[in-house]
Amino acid sequence: EAQVTQNPRYLITVTGKKLTVTCSQNMNHEYMSWYRQDPGLGLRQIYYSMNVEVTDKGDVPEGYKVSRKEKRNFPLILESPSPNQTSLYFCATSVLGQEWGEQFFGPGTRLTVL
Amino acid sequence: AQSVSQHNHHVILSEAASLELGCNYSYGGTVNLFWYVQYPGQHLQLLLKYFSGDPLVKGIKGFEAEFIKSKFSFNLRKPSVQWSDTAEYFCAVARGNNNDMRFGAGTRLTVKP
Repeated sequence: EAQVTQNPRYLITVTGKKLTVTCSQNMNHEYMSWYRQDPGLGLRQIYYSMNVEVTDKGDVPEGYKVSRKEKRNFPLILESPSPNQTSLYFCATSVLGQEWGEQFFGPGTRLTVL
Repeated sequence: AQSVSQHNHHVILSEAASLELGCNYSYGGTVNLFWYVQYPGQHLQLLLKYFSGDPLVKGIKGFEAEFIKSKFSFNLRKPSVQWSDTAEYFCAVARGNNNDMRFGAGTRLTVKP
């Protein structure tokens, strides 16, 4: 079954405590992306990756890091989380080429930073 | 700035009413267009997509959308909504030449039984 998995699904943490949210896909997609969803703002892209070892900033990259060492995994790292990073996070994947852009989303990670 | 605009923040309809949600984008050139639906507590799922060809595209659950290139619009329609269509709807635009992907702010649809 084609899927995108994220862990953890829910996380409550405190300011400054480093955390990693994992994302894994089994569809062999080149493109992977992280979004945050906040009420009234829709989805905003944090980082994206077009292939292994290729990552780039989205619209709201401050306070986040990513890596793409393997094609299937794209972890999101918060080195020193702050309360303004409390949000719902989605990982998504897509093929590249003419039909790029159809995104397959993970189930989401709800993060609360106290 | 390049953007995707959804005109309605919250739409409330009664069952069997017709639905049209607006989406406009500000990019020139070739784009791929999408509508996603997010049911309460769930992730986004693809409703329909447009890559090329017939500008009227049909999606799942009776939804359709029309691409009007001259108006930079991709409006979503459904002739008769159901209570189960209560969800948030997102328009998205992908530009292939620079891998730019943008979402609208979303429209919350509430359908009253």
